[in-house]
Amino acid sequence: ELKVEQNPLFLSMQEGKNYTIYCNYSTTSDRLYWYRQDPGKSLESLFVLLSNGAVKQEGRLMASLDTKARLSTLHITAAVHDLSATYFCAVDGLETSGSRLTFGEGTQLTVNP
Amino acid sequence: KAGVTQTPRYLIKTRGQQVTLSCSPISGHRSVSWYQQTPGQGLQFLFEYFSETQRNKGNFPGRFSGRQFSNSRSEMNVSTLELGDSALYLCASDGTVETQYFGPGTRLLVL
Repeated sequence: ELKVEQNPLFLSMQEGKNYTIYCNYSTTSDRLYWYRQDPGKSLESLFVLLSNGAVKQEGRLMASLDTKARLSTLHITAAVHDLSATYFCAVDGLETSGSRLTFGEGTQLTVNP
Repeated sequence: KAGVTQTPRYLIKTRGQQVTLSCSPISGHRSVSWYQQTPGQGLQFLFEYFSETQRNKGNFPGRFSGRQFSNSRSEMNVSTLELGDSALYLCASDGTVETQYFGPGTRLLVL
């Protein structure tokens, strides 16, 4: 059974600081996604990582994938209040487990002025 | 391109009733997946339909079922509702190797 673990689950940051969210998963997969969810809203796609060593950046967020270590990271640079949200990583089991996305528990990020 | 749409957005039912939720995927997308989100269990995969066939299924009881029509629109049905079925139900569609795009969700409250 595919398991996806994120840490930390709660993160309170000061504006302007950097931090990294980690996502570990338990079985082989080459497709990992990052989503953002604002309170009461749906999931917004941030990044799709499809191969080992993939790195993608959008604004203050950068995501990377190491399939050998089964680890993805979401790095936040110079955080701003607008980044406050819950961030989920998800692994697609379409090719392996017969499931689609298996999500991590989510990281609730609060950026304080 | 219009996004994924879901109806209804909010629903209140009582225990024992059944409910049907609808999802229209992004035009051209043939895969539709359903997920349940609750505070206790997080986001969990229910099932996926592709070209009118169930392709994958999560670990949910048989009270949860779905179908997909020839125009790729999908419905999911929950029979004999329980209090624990109260959740946000999210539908997602995807094309080939791109990400799954999520709809706004249907918030179901079971009383």
